[in-house]
Amino acid sequence: GENVEQHPSTLSVQEGDSAVIKCTYSDSASNYFPWYKQELGKGPQLIIDIRSNVGEKKDQRIAVTLNKTAKHFSLHITETQPEDSAVYFCAASLSYIPTFGRGTSLIVHP
Amino acid sequence: DTAVSQTPKYLVTQMGNDKSIKCEQNLGHDTMYWYKQDSKKFLKIMFSYNNKELIINETVPNRFSPKSPDKAHLNLHINSLELGDSAVYFCASSPVLGANVLTFGAGSRLTVL
Repeated sequence: GENVEQHPSTLSVQEGDSAVIKCTYSDSASNYFPWYKQELGKGPQLIIDIRSNVGEKKDQRIAVTLNKTAKHFSLHITETQPEDSAVYFCAASLSYIPTFGRGTSLIVHP
Repeated sequence: DTAVSQTPKYLVTQMGNDKSIKCEQNLGHDTMYWYKQDSKKFLKIMFSYNNKELIINETVPNRFSPKSPDKAHLNLHINSLELGDSAVYFCASSPVLGANVLTFGAGSRLTVL
């Protein structure tokens, strides 16, 4: 089955800095890579996703890049704000059930 | 309107008891899921149902029994609760089987004493 590694487990930045979270996956047949944000006391919420036929996707301050050859993908958040503080999960999907990484706790200090 | 709603949000109970968590989605989705999130935040799939039919059962003890009376509801019943069952349980749904985008509920925190 698919295995997803996510780093770092904790990321602390100052407001306005950029944050990068990296994930690797094991199964080269995986073709869908979503990112979820989980705020305290809430369920994960999809923030951006990318499919294997695209190398990069951007939505305002958030971007995701995918390197199929190396089997890794990354989430980039620019101009971080305190409300970006949350746990972020990457996932890779081969069939219809995504395999999640172990999460990154992002802390943005004002 | 809440898209995926779970009840109860908090549940505290003694070892050996039986408890249920209910989930309802008003999105018209065909597929529903139960995930378990442990204390280290790891999200693990437990079950998946598509149009009331069980699709996935990921090596979950048979003390856990999901039930889907219709495609908008997926309930989770747990028998003989153990300390290790303490976790946050998330219900989720997706439009159709094979659609990867999940909509999660707010979670149900189960504490077994």
